[in-house]
Amino acid sequence: EDQVTQSPEALRLQEGESSSLNCSYTVSGLRGLFWYRQDPGKGPEFLFTLYSAGEEKEKERLKATLTKKESFLHITAPKPEDSATYLCAVQGGGSNYKLTFGKGTLLTVNP
Amino acid sequence: EAQVTQNPRYLITVTGKKLTVTCSQNMNHEYMSWYRQDPGLGLRQIYYSMNVEVTDKGDVPEGYKVSRKEKRNFPLILESPSPNQTSLYFCASSASGQVNTGELFFGEGSRLTVL
Repeated sequence: EDQVTQSPEALRLQEGESSSLNCSYTVSGLRGLFWYRQDPGKGPEFLFTLYSAGEEKEKERLKATLTKKESFLHITAPKPEDSATYLCAVQGGGSNYKLTFGKGTLLTVNP
Repeated sequence: EAQVTQNPRYLITVTGKKLTVTCSQNMNHEYMSWYRQDPGLGLRQIYYSMNVEVTDKGDVPEGYKVSRKEKRNFPLILESPSPNQTSLYFCASSASGQVNTGELFFGEGSRLTVL
């Protein structure tokens, strides 16, 4: 069974204070690892897909990286508008069209 | 505007009273799915559909039914709701080729309370 563990559960940063969110996973044959952003009262919004160890993707202040056991979402010089819950999900080799989500990290960026 | 529309957004009902949460997408997506989101448990898949008349169970299908008679619609049916089905529900869709890239488009969510 695919499993995803995200840490920390909550993270509070000052504006401009860079940090990283962690996503540890256990899957049988990783097809893809995905990051989503979820704002309060909204549905998740797709950010990145990573397929293999060593791969990196960037979007504005966010950078996602992948190893064989975990993924990191690095946030550089965050702004208050980056405050959201960040979700990690995986698709394993035995799970056609099924994503397994972690519980998320609630990020709060104070001005 | 490309979107996934769910209705109702908020609903309070009583145990045993059948209800349907509708989901409609305007992107001509083949794949649609229902998730529930609960504190401490994250998003869990209920049912999914690869195309019209093709549906399959996710991780937590008990107590739910779905149908896919048209490509754009994927209603979630609770025949006899119980309090443990109180949750925030999300519908999602994706083009077939995008499901494996994780690019799901989610609706705004439907908050259901069963008393």
